[in-house]
Amino acid sequence: EAQVTQNPRYLITVTGKKLTVTCSQNMNHEYMSWYRQDPGLGLRQIYYSMNVEVTDKGDVPEGYKVSRKEKRNFPLILESPSPNQTSLYFCASSSPRADTQYFGPGTRLTVL
Amino acid sequence: AQTVTQSQPEMSVQEAETVTLSCTYDTSENNYYLFWYKQPPSRQMILVIRQEAYKQQNATENRFSVNFQKAAKSFSLKISDSQLGDTAMYFCAFMKLEPGKLIFGQGTTLQVKP
Repeated sequence: EAQVTQNPRYLITVTGKKLTVTCSQNMNHEYMSWYRQDPGLGLRQIYYSMNVEVTDKGDVPEGYKVSRKEKRNFPLILESPSPNQTSLYFCASSSPRADTQYFGPGTRLTVL
Repeated sequence: AQTVTQSQPEMSVQEAETVTLSCTYDTSENNYYLFWYKQPPSRQMILVIRQEAYKQQNATENRFSVNFQKAAKSFSLKISDSQLGDTAMYFCAFMKLEPGKLIFGQGTTLQVKP
């Protein structure tokens, strides 16, 4: 089954404790992205990757890091989380034709 | 920079009736894609319908159809014969031909009442 998976689905952590949210897709897609969803703001892109070892900032990259060492994986790293990073996070992937993005199930992150 | 605006934070409709969700966008691009995504309480993002800007014909998917007005930069979603399962948040989204960069509106929460 074609899918995008994210782990963990729920995470409660404390300020400053490094964390990683994993994202994996099995569709051999070149493009992968991370978004955060906040009430009244919709979804905003954090980072995206056009292929292995190629990443670029989206609209809200501050406080986040990403890496793309393998085509299927695109982890999101918060090296020193802060409460303003409490949000719902989505990973997405798409093919070069790129007219459709496939979304993961979301990760609910709470930073205390 | 592109922007997407959904001016209706909340809407409701009676089961079996028709409802229209509004979306406007701003761009200087001539070719692009527009989407409507549905987010039910499960939080999963589900693609409802997409429209290529170069196509004048409005997209249709079963009970869902769009009214795409390119000159007015308007992209509304019509849901016919509303069902209880249509209750969700709906997001309008814009994407340039450069892949992987979706720009979303603020969302409209739709409640379908029995």
